[in-house]
Order: sequence, then structure tokens, then C-alpha cells
Amino acid sequence: EAGVVQSPRYKIIEKKQPVAFWCNPISGHNTLYWYRQNLGQGPELLIRYENEEAVDDSQLPKDRFSAERLKGVDSTLKIQPAELGDSAVYLCASSLGSSAPLFFGSGTQLSVL
Amino acid sequence: KNQVEQSPQSLIILEGKNCTLQCNYTVSPFSNLRWYKQDTGRGPVSLTIMTFSENTKSNGRYTATLDADTKQSSLHITASQLSDSASYICVVSGPILTGGGNKLTFGTGTQLKVEL
Repeated sequence: EAGVVQSPRYKIIEKKQPVAFWCNPISGHNTLYWYRQNLGQGPELLIRYENEEAVDDSQLPKDRFSAERLKGVDSTLKIQPAELGDSAVYLCASSLGSSAPLFFGSGTQLSVL
Repeated sequence: KNQVEQSPQSLIILEGKNCTLQCNYTVSPFSNLRWYKQDTGRGPVSLTIMTFSENTKSNGRYTATLDADTKQSSLHITASQLSDSASYICVVSGPILTGGGNKLTFGTGTQLKVEL
């Protein structure tokens, strides 16, 4: 069974450029999460989806970040424009429900120069 | 404010030795506590999940304990191996009272290095 798939694995961009991350969750997992993880820190929730509905986006910086989960399966996270402080690992996770174990992808390492 | 604190921040041990990692939390109400292992450059992988009524749970050489009264958990690693080198993250889940679902609060992790 395939796990959570994320792409790209690494991304280097200049500040003020746009960037997008893609996530394919485990088949059948209704709950999808996007996290941001800074070096030496635990992941911080950006947004949580239940199917195609964003049920918790309180920590998403909506001035520059956007996310979508069309058809309740794959999801994309976009930053426009990127800032230096956005450099981090962006992790996608999925689960059968919000009480179930999370399965994480390998993340996208973003470097903003 | 819900918090999860882990100690030590980092730890170096010799291969074959045992070690214990600590997690203290203030999350309330409480649903469950999870330990994750995160290898460098990878996403976290679940090791154990414990609910309020569970005091201990094992997964191979990993044994987690939970004291819900004192809000403390530990992760004990037996006979460590080089492949145990990773960050170990404690995550506490609590119900969201308005809107439903659960909110996860992550610790900052303990960085473990196992050496020859």
C-alpha cells in the first residue's frame, strides 16, 4: 500500500516568487493535514481537511497561503509571494479520522533565498 | 495554553544501551498521547498511541508509559541500535469542544543519537 506521497521533495526559490506543494493521501483517508516544521521544532498545523472541507485553517496565514482539496483526495498548498521566513519543511499527513493515527509524507523542503 | 514539553532536548547513547525519553503535557481535555519517530529528512512515523485508560504500550523495543493523573509519559528504548538515531516527538490529542474533531499538540522532540 502506498503511503502519503508529496512532491516536490525539495524546492529552492527566490523571495517573492510563488510556490506550490502537492499531496496525495493514503487511499480512503478522509482527513488531510498540512503542517509546517521548522528545524528543531515539532510540526505546526496549517490546515486540516475533512474530505473537501477545510475544518481548521485558523493557523494558515491567509494573506499569502492558500490550499485546496478538490474532490476530497489530492491537495495543493500554495504560497504567493514567498518570504524568507517561509523556509521550512512542509508536511502532508492523512488519517481515517481526526482521532486516528496520522500517516505523514516525507515532506517538501522549501528554501527561500 | 495547551503545551507539550519533552526532555532531554538531545541525547547521545552507545549502541546496545537503554534510554528513556520524557514528555509532560498540559493539554486538557485529553483524548490520547502518541509517540512518533522522525528520521532525518523524513516525515514522522507513529510508534504508539495510548488513551486515558492505558498505562503502557509496547512496539518491539519501544515501550511507552502514560500517567494521566500527573500528565506525564515516557518512551523507553531497549537495546538501542544505530537505526534508532532520530527525533522522537510526543503528540497529545484533545477534543475540540466547538466544531468537533481533535486537536494535536506537538512537542519539539528529543533528538537521539546512537553511537558505536
